[in-house]
Amino acid sequence: AQSVTQLGSHVSVSEGALVLLRCNYSSSVPPYLFWYVQYPNQGLQLLLKYTTGATLVKGINGFEAEFKKSETSFHLTKPSAHMSDAAEYFCAVSDRGGKLIFGQGTELSVKP
Amino acid sequence: SQTIHQWPATLVQPVGSPLSLECTVEGTSNPNLYWYRQAAGRGLQLLFYSVGIGQISSEVPQNLSASRPQDRQFILSSKKLLLSDSGFYLCAWTRGTGGYEQYFGPGTRLTVT
Repeated sequence: AQSVTQLGSHVSVSEGALVLLRCNYSSSVPPYLFWYVQYPNQGLQLLLKYTTGATLVKGINGFEAEFKKSETSFHLTKPSAHMSDAAEYFCAVSDRGGKLIFGQGTELSVKP
Repeated sequence: SQTIHQWPATLVQPVGSPLSLECTVEGTSNPNLYWYRQAAGRGLQLLFYSVGIGQISSEVPQNLSASRPQDRQFILSSKKLLLSDSGFYLCAWTRGTGGYEQYFGPGTRLTVT
């Protein structure tokens, strides 16, 4: 069975600092991996995804993630945090049947 | 372009009352459709998914049910709500299998009192 673990339910950074949100997955097949962002009382918005090919994936709003098979990780990074990045972030893995298995989420706070 | 709608946006219902939440997708045909629930402070729990009209798969046994009467319409129902049914309900669609991302609707906030 596939699973996703997000390390840290809350992450706080200063504006301008590096953002690093951690995600580890478990999958018996080559995974499809996703990062979503959720602002309060809104639906989820896709930030980026990895299916095949280049392991460094660039997404919207300056975010990127690197697929590391040996570490079963797909950490999300952004070089410089902005106040508008404050939100909940979810990592997800696809079971190739179309269903997504989500991590528990990481709430990102950005301090001025 | 494709859009996904959910209504109502918010709902307050007493325990034991019925429920009907609606999700519709525009701009695509034969989407895979999903219902998720997000309880306070927790991740997303997949409730139901559908790959076609009348085809419903249930992920979690509970007092909720789903139906897909039309290609781009997905309905979540309950005959009698429980307090534990409170949460944020999200509908999503995808083109199919094979690494396609899911697109989410704006959600319905349900409070059972």
